[in-house]
Amino acid sequence: GIQVEQSPPDLILQEGANSTLRCNFSDSVNNLQWFHQNPWGQLINLFYIPSGTKQNGRLSATTVATERYSLLYISSSQTTDSGVYFCAVDNYGQNFVFGPGTRLSVLP
Amino acid sequence: SQTIHQWPATLVQPVGSPLSLECTVEGTSNPNLYWYRQAAGRGLQLLFYSVGIGQISSEVPQNLSASRPQDRQFILSSKKLLLSDSGFYLCAWSALGTGDTIYFGEGSWLTVV
Repeated sequence: GIQVEQSPPDLILQEGANSTLRCNFSDSVNNLQWFHQNPWGQLINLFYIPSGTKQNGRLSATTVATERYSLLYISSSQTTDSGVYFCAVDNYGQNFVFGPGTRLSVLP
Repeated sequence: SQTIHQWPATLVQPVGSPLSLECTVEGTSNPNLYWYRQAAGRGLQLLFYSVGIGQISSEVPQNLSASRPQDRQFILSSKKLLLSDSGFYLCAWSALGTGDTIYFGEGSWLTVV
């Protein structure tokens, strides 16, 4: 099956700093999403981005499908950005495969 | 708008006891439904998915089972829990077919003691 890798596994930032999270996948996909899991466990959809670039406030994402990777950018990070960021892909099946996640800690 | 709910939110069960987690979706028809498990500090593992009533696909062999008695209801069960069943269980749905967003419920914390 398709493999999903994320880097870095852990990231510690000072409030106000910028960061880039990466997701690599091993096969072509028709669906890629980024999620934020908050400290209470809730998974929040950030982007549905099988290709191209999207922006939502301080967050933006870019997927280069031909090179099998996606990037999530967080600018001017805030303490509320802390948590785990997952990417998930669907390669034309009916289920989603999740990466192992990047744990982000934003310090005040 | 569509909503998804799962319960109970927290559960502490002894080894060998049964389990039933329930998930319902509102505001949509014929959704794909999923059960994921997340062990502490780990990623999400797909356990079951369903594309219709009575249609269940299992991704990982285990002592858990899933059922879909109604279009928008998905149940995760076990006859006898193991310590290794502890974790955070998440129900999710997506529109029928591929290429659509997946949405998660609030999650259920299960501790087997």
